[in-house]
Amino acid sequence: KQEVTQIPAALSVPEGENLVLNCSFTDSAIYNLQWFRQDPGKGLTSLLLIQSSQREQTSGRLNASLDKSSGRSTLYIAASQPGDSATYLCAAPERGGADGLTFGKGTHLIIQP
Amino acid sequence: DVKVTQSSRYLVKRTGEKVFLECVQDMDHENMFWYRQDPGLGLRLIYFSYDVKMKEKGDIPEGYSVSREKKERFSLILESASTNQTSMYLCASSLSFRVSGNTIYFGEGSWLTVV
Repeated sequence: KQEVTQIPAALSVPEGENLVLNCSFTDSAIYNLQWFRQDPGKGLTSLLLIQSSQREQTSGRLNASLDKSSGRSTLYIAASQPGDSATYLCAAPERGGADGLTFGKGTHLIIQP
Repeated sequence: DVKVTQSSRYLVKRTGEKVFLECVQDMDHENMFWYRQDPGLGLRLIYFSYDVKMKEKGDIPEGYSVSREKKERFSLILESASTNQTSMYLCASSLSFRVSGNTIYFGEGSWLTVV
């Protein structure tokens, strides 16, 4: 069974800093990995989806990388802003190609103004 | 615009009641999912469905059932609600993950309190 771990669990940084969120997964036979954002009391919004054939994916100030061989993904946020404050979750598909996703427990990010 | 709609945002139910949580998607997606989210435990998959009238158990199906009579609608049923089912429930939908480029879309969540 796929297991997904996110480090750190929480992070508080001043506005303007560049930061890296980490995600590791146990089953490297994945065809993609996704990063999500969740605001308090809300559902999840997809940020980036990286296919297994890709090494990274970019959207604005966000860049996600994927290293299947080591079972790791990182989400890089450039020039952080207070509006980036949220919980960030990564998710990897279950082994065997079933269509469920396994989620990490997330990194709770606070950007201080 | 993509839309997954959960009909109830906040519910309070009594122990032993039968509870229905409804979810509708307007994207003609094959897959639909129900997750629950609890502090310290993250998101856990309850059930998913990859076609009309099809269902698969997730990680924590006990105490729950589901119904998918139409492609756009996926219902989660708590046959006899218990206090340990107090949680935030999230519905989601997607095309197959096995096809490249497909992502998953979530509803806003339903907060259920069982008293």
